[in-house]
Amino acid sequence: QKEVEQNSGPLSVPEGAIASLNCTYSDRGSQSFFWYRQYSGKSPELIMSIYSNGDKEDGRFTAQLNKASQYVSLLIRDSQPSDSATYLCAVNRDNFNKFYFGSGTKLNVKP
Amino acid sequence: ETGVTQTPRHLVMGMTNKKSLKCEQHLGHNAMYWYKQSAKKPLELMFVYSLEERVENNSVPSRFSPECPNSSHLFLHLHTLQPEDSALYLCASSQDRVSIAIFFGQGTRLTVV
Repeated sequence: QKEVEQNSGPLSVPEGAIASLNCTYSDRGSQSFFWYRQYSGKSPELIMSIYSNGDKEDGRFTAQLNKASQYVSLLIRDSQPSDSATYLCAVNRDNFNKFYFGSGTKLNVKP
Repeated sequence: ETGVTQTPRHLVMGMTNKKSLKCEQHLGHNAMYWYKQSAKKPLELMFVYSLEERVENNSVPSRFSPECPNSSHLFLHLHTLQPEDSALYLCASSQDRVSIAIFFGQGTRLTVV
């Protein structure tokens, strides 16, 4: 079983719509959760972090965490073509330097 | 100056060559990482250094040899690589405690011919 699982996509949404990206993780001991955005040919860039159950909003981005279901999601409101990228979910377990990444979901926002 | 800087950005090497990748972080972090990213695969953790001590070696072949002379610098020495080692190699750093994200350098695109 993979540590972190994501649907590889591509997920296609029209400009202005809400994009919903999902991630599940296997270890209940996981404590910290992150979303990274990676443009083609570039390195991952941190966009959101979440540590407790519920929602966390930052501009057009909302991260949602449900530890009971071992589920993390990222909502992007008013999607823009510039949001087209691969989104990586990362999980930090109880060992401070173990970060596990999903394989990423490719998002295409069509003008 | 960017937080985590990697050089070179691109590298083509033959299977008998020896080369080194360099990483420098300017964030005051005390943990540094090497990740490998191949097409269609998740990021693979290779090595972790915390306070200049290697704390993770994720079953990486010996043809990859890391070096961390201080908390700001990290190297990955390469020798007798195989074509399947072609990938994006990412350096990252973090502050050495739970709940802190890691931050990546721009990566080195390595091609082994």
